[in-house]
Amino acid sequence: GAGVSQSPSNKVTEKGKDVELRCDPISGHTALYWYRQSLGQGLEFLIYFQGNSAPDKSGLPSDRFSAERTGGSVSTLTIQRTQQEDSAVYLCASSDGGWGTDTQYFGPGTRLTVL
Amino acid sequence: QKEVEQNSGPLSVPEGAIASLNCTYSDRVSQSFFWYRQYSGKSPELIMSIYSNGDKEDGRFTAQLNKASQYVSLLIRDSQPSDSATYLCAVRYSNSGYALNFGKGTSLLVTP
Repeated sequence: GAGVSQSPSNKVTEKGKDVELRCDPISGHTALYWYRQSLGQGLEFLIYFQGNSAPDKSGLPSDRFSAERTGGSVSTLTIQRTQQEDSAVYLCASSDGGWGTDTQYFGPGTRLTVL
Repeated sequence: QKEVEQNSGPLSVPEGAIASLNCTYSDRVSQSFFWYRQYSGKSPELIMSIYSNGDKEDGRFTAQLNKASQYVSLLIRDSQPSDSATYLCAVRYSNSGYALNFGKGTSLLVTP
């Protein structure tokens, strides 16, 4: 079956511009996660959605970052007034339950470059 | 601050040898442990998951978990050049939601 998809695959923007990154999770998966991976760094958790529950935003680095998930499926991560330190690969993952031992499957990522 | 530590490597092993990758974590309130493989420029893919103390085998891969010593390891038997990648250890803590806490990864190079 289809895996997690993300768009765009690459995004180059100028400092101060807003960007939107999209994630389509695996069909039927109720949990959706956003992470980012900066050069030489590990994956850093950003935000988590589970069904209709309030999202866990504890990993968002600043109020310039926000995310929404419409209809329990597609998610959009928005970064306002981008800064050069926002340059990273943004990875989306989904899982079938978000509980305990479930497995997260990652999309191909969006490489964001802020000039 | 919950930490997941891995030796960055590179770990170099000859083809056919056993590669041993180690990971330590800082918090005893841990629940689930995962090993992901990440090829350069690609997204992480799950190799193994382990939840209970002991060994878990899947083909050439064996995950080992020791909660008392707070470490988890991954053994790759009969290593192949195609195993050359970065291996990421991830821990889910039972008291911090469902996000995974990742180490920075160990780079493995299998030489022919």
